[in-house]
Amino acid sequence: EAGVAQSPRYKIIEKRQSVAFWCNPISGHATLYWYQQILGQGPKLLIQFQNNGVVDDSQLPKDRFSAERLKGVDSTLKIQPAKLEDSAVYLCASSPGVTGKETQYFGPGTRLLVL
Amino acid sequence: ILNVEQSPQSLHVQEGDSTNFTCSFPSSNFYALHWYRWETAKSPEALFVMTLNGDEKKKGRISATLNTKEGYSYLYIKGSQPEDSATYLCAFSTSGTYKYIFGTGTRLKVLA
Repeated sequence: EAGVAQSPRYKIIEKRQSVAFWCNPISGHATLYWYQQILGQGPKLLIQFQNNGVVDDSQLPKDRFSAERLKGVDSTLKIQPAKLEDSAVYLCASSPGVTGKETQYFGPGTRLLVL
Repeated sequence: ILNVEQSPQSLHVQEGDSTNFTCSFPSSNFYALHWYRWETAKSPEALFVMTLNGDEKKKGRISATLNTKEGYSYLYIKGSQPEDSATYLCAFSTSGTYKYIFGTGTRLKVLA
């Protein structure tokens, strides 16, 4: 079974530039999550999709971050414009459902550095 | 605000030593507790999902216990090996919202 794919693996940009990350979840997984992990902190949920609908985006900075899940499969997360404090690892995860007991399967993450 | 705390933040052990970490979480509205291992440059990998008070799980040299009444879980590694070097994350999910809240992790370095 193929795992969760993410690209790019690394990205360096200057502040005020735009950046986009892509995630392909495990086939058949209905739920997709984007997390932000800042150095020294735990992963923080940015947005959660159930199929192609948003379940939770309460911690997504909507003035600069946007995300979509195309046809309930792949997802993109965009930052426009980036700030220095956006430097972090962006993790995508998927799970079959959304019960809270289900294991989340993670991709390798995208390491973003904003200069 | 729900908070999940892990301790210690980091530790170094010698190969062959046994070690343990703690994950503390709110005892109310408990639904499940997850442990993940995250090696550098790799994807976080699920170790255990624990749901019942008193649960004990084991996977090779790694085991975990759960106390939902007092709000903590212990992860044990017996006879640590260099390949155990990783960040160990716990995540707590609540009944109702099912939202996963992650701790800050424990970074383990096993010295050969």
